[in-house]
Amino acid sequence: QVQLQESGPGLVKPSQTLSLTCTVSGGSISSGSYYWSWIRQPAGKGLEWIGRIYTSGSTNYNPSLKSRVTISVDTSKNQFSLKLSSVTAADTAVYYCARDGEIGAFDIWGQGTMVTVSS
Amino acid sequence: QSVLTQPPSASGTPGQRVTISCSGSSSNIGSNTVNWYQQLPGTAPKLLIYSNNQRPSGVPDRFSGSKSGTSASLAISGLQSEDEADYYCAAWDDSLNGPWVFGGGTKLTVL
Repeated sequence: QVQLQESGPGLVKPSQTLSLTCTVSGGSISSGSYYWSWIRQPAGKGLEWIGRIYTSGSTNYNPSLKSRVTISVDTSKNQFSLKLSSVTAADTAVYYCARDGEIGAFDIWGQGTMVTVSS
Repeated sequence: QSVLTQPPSASGTPGQRVTISCSGSSSNIGSNTVNWYQQLPGTAPKLLIYSNNQRPSGVPDRFSGSKSGTSASLAISGLQSEDEADYYCAAWDDSLNGPWVFGGGTKLTVL
């Protein structure tokens, strides 16, 4: 079955760019009518949707983060990626990638990766 | 502050029925379906209910969802100790708040 795995640096300096990749295994990222999303969760807090990409490349972003977020897809590698610029301590969180499925819900999630913003 | 409003906590004893509410507005719950996610301690969220009241394969029928107007509810019957978790509601939002919005989460304690 389809599985998702996040990867990337666990520590990012303030003002720098956070970069994460989600690798899709067990199926093609291009098959079906799916969006691929990024969601984050600060320690002890709730979930925040960051944005998503369709395999055609079309994107939607959370307006509160839109000016700093770029989500891209590499179908040849079966991956999609997140870039968040000008990070601050407030961006410290567990970052999840998830499939935004045909049923209109996040039906598959990665295990999450902790990113700390600190000098 | 989350766009969807949930009580921060709920509790019940084994075998009891508990409900968790989720309140929104006309731009999200009022015009779109609601999903519920269960997050066990230290793990990623898992889809529990989609399209207001549909259960994915493998989710016990002890879990049920409903929606009325701009509010939704998750009910858990025959409460079990392994149900102790955080529960989040989510809905698509047609306004500038963004396509997907979540509730702040409800921590369910099994006494």
